[in-house]
Amino acid sequence: NAGVTQTPKFQVLKTGQSMTLQCAQDMNHEYMSWYRQDPGMGLRLIHYSVGAGITDQGEVPNGYNVSRSTTEDFPLRLLSAAPSQTSVYFCASSPLDRVAPGELFFGEGSRLTVL
Amino acid sequence: AQSVSQHNHHVILSEAASLELGCNYSYGGTVNLFWYVQYPGQHLQLLLKYFSGDPLVKGIKGFEAEFIKSKFSFNLRKPSVQWSDTAEYFCAVNALGGSYIPTFGRGTSLIVHP
Repeated sequence: NAGVTQTPKFQVLKTGQSMTLQCAQDMNHEYMSWYRQDPGMGLRLIHYSVGAGITDQGEVPNGYNVSRSTTEDFPLRLLSAAPSQTSVYFCASSPLDRVAPGELFFGEGSRLTVL
Repeated sequence: AQSVSQHNHHVILSEAASLELGCNYSYGGTVNLFWYVQYPGQHLQLLLKYFSGDPLVKGIKGFEAEFIKSKFSFNLRKPSVQWSDTAEYFCAVNALGGSYIPTFGRGTSLIVHP
């Protein structure tokens, strides 16, 4: 039971570098999303997708890009890393059910440090 | 748009004490309600959920929550906490028929002393 898999678990970047956080799920969930978690701020939604080819911005999208070419994968790209992007990132997925939105299934998180 | 308030940001208890964490939401329509738990260094996982029916729902590890529609509340309770309950707890709300995006509260950090 893989569920939601995120890689890498840890990453250190220098300011200005780019990188991609990978997220894959094997539950055939249409809805996928990325959150960042910072102390005292809870979970803040970065981007989300309701299916292949469809993405939209969340609460804090600046500095991040996403794409959804397949149902399974939803990578998060940092184009030019900044220290303010130091955080723990979580990918989450859910079946798409407009009548009864259900629980989110979370990955184990990716801890990113930008120096 | 809905919002979720968790009034207790930090809670410190001794083992065997009773726990109640508050969660209030603002949305006039029908909602699904969730409590997630995040143990130290781990990802969020579902503790319990309410969709419909009995407003008192039971989850894993002895936790329960009561949905009080008139108060827009979904408080989490446990009669006797254990050291292993030390974690961060998040309340979340999904509005039926609206956006797929759940709204999370800011979380409550619970520390249980042995």
